[in-house]
Amino acid sequence: EAQVTQNPRYLITVTGKKLTVTCSQNMNHEYMSWYRQDPGLGLRQIYYSMNVEVTDKGDVPEGYKVSRKEKRNFPLILESPSPNQTSLYFCASRPGTGEPYEQYFGPGTRLTVT
Amino acid sequence: GQNIDQPTEMTATEGAIVQINCTYQTSGFNGLFWYQQHAGEAPTFLSYNVLDGLEEKGRFSSFLSRSKGYSYLLLKELQMKDSASYLCAVKKNRDDKIIFGKGTRLHILP
Repeated sequence: EAQVTQNPRYLITVTGKKLTVTCSQNMNHEYMSWYRQDPGLGLRQIYYSMNVEVTDKGDVPEGYKVSRKEKRNFPLILESPSPNQTSLYFCASRPGTGEPYEQYFGPGTRLTVT
Repeated sequence: GQNIDQPTEMTATEGAIVQINCTYQTSGFNGLFWYQQHAGEAPTFLSYNVLDGLEEKGRFSSFLSRSKGYSYLLLKELQMKDSASYLCAVKKNRDDKIIFGKGTRLHILP
């Protein structure tokens, strides 16, 4: 089944404790992105990647890191999480340049930082 | 700057037609997405408009006017399952930088 998976789905952690949220897709997509979704603010892009070893900042990259060492995986790293990073996080992927333009989203990771 | 505006909430009746508008002002434009998101779930892709005009896909249609910075999503023959948030998003350039509006929550009344 074609899908984007994220782990963990739920996480409660404390300020300053490094964490990684994994994202994996099995569709051989070139493009992958991370978003956060907050009430009243909508979806905001954190980082995106257009291919292996090619990553770039979205609108809200501060406090986050990403890597794209393999095409299928795009982990999101919070080196020192803070309470303002409490949010719902989505990973997404899409094939690449041109059609089809459909972007597939993972199920989401709800992160709470205390 | 960049701005994508859509109404916060709308209400419509089952079986009717509803139009959800989206206006945008962005530094760069490559195309416009519409997504549907049910509460507690991930967004799902509805459409992507690159050129001006109307694109129809079943009960859903999406329109784009690049000169006016305007798009709308038209939902026909509304069903209760169409109760969801509808997200408008702009792809700014050949990169994959994508800016989302805050979404329109659509309520369907029986």
